[in-house]
Amino acid sequence: QVQLQESGPGLVKPSETLSLTCTVSGDSISNYFWSWIRQPPGGVLEWIGYVHYRGITDYKSSLKSRVLMSVDTSKNQLSLKVNSVTEADTAVYYCARFEYNGYNYFDLWGQGALVTVSS
Amino acid sequence: SYELTQPLSVSVALGQTAKITCGRSNIENINVHWYQQKPGQAPVLVIYRDTFRPSGIPERFSGSNSGNTATLTISRAQAGDEADYYCQVWDSNTEVFGAGTKVTVL
Repeated sequence: QVQLQESGPGLVKPSETLSLTCTVSGDSISNYFWSWIRQPPGGVLEWIGYVHYRGITDYKSSLKSRVLMSVDTSKNQLSLKVNSVTEADTAVYYCARFEYNGYNYFDLWGQGALVTVSS
Repeated sequence: SYELTQPLSVSVALGQTAKITCGRSNIENINVHWYQQKPGQAPVLVIYRDTFRPSGIPERFSGSNSGNTATLTISRAQAGDEADYYCQVWDSNTEVFGAGTKVTVL
């Protein structure tokens, strides 16, 4: 049974960098594409981008200048960095397995990690 | 990119049928996927590629897509179906989610 678990600091100061890790268990991270999606408190889902272990990435255009995703196959982990954060980046951040096959959907999600941006 | 239009809320009597719509011009030409999100939990995929159900999702959940509207149908609604439901498409090289529909089972 494949499981995803996000981890990282729950509090980040404005202008600093948000860093999260997603650990994948039950399957090799190399077999799939992966995405990060966030949801502000009481808000709607927002796709951030996707990543593949071969270094293939794509990010939402409005976030592209601040986002970096990567994969560590030795640890079976993917990571997300968002720099120059503001309070608008406060959200629950989810990692998800991304069926990047022309149909493009998220078939498995982690439980999510709440990140609050505040001084 | 185009926005996806969902009703804010849908109410359904226990055991009856709920229909949740997702609107966009010519949505029938693209694949629509649906997610269920219960309070405090991560979203769960309930329908993909318009009509396909992942393993473990009850047959009570079905999807359709025609014209300008995709529809998620919940038959024989149960109390456990109370949740927010989001549609999602791939459009203009980006993923787009609808704003979500809160389903209440009366």
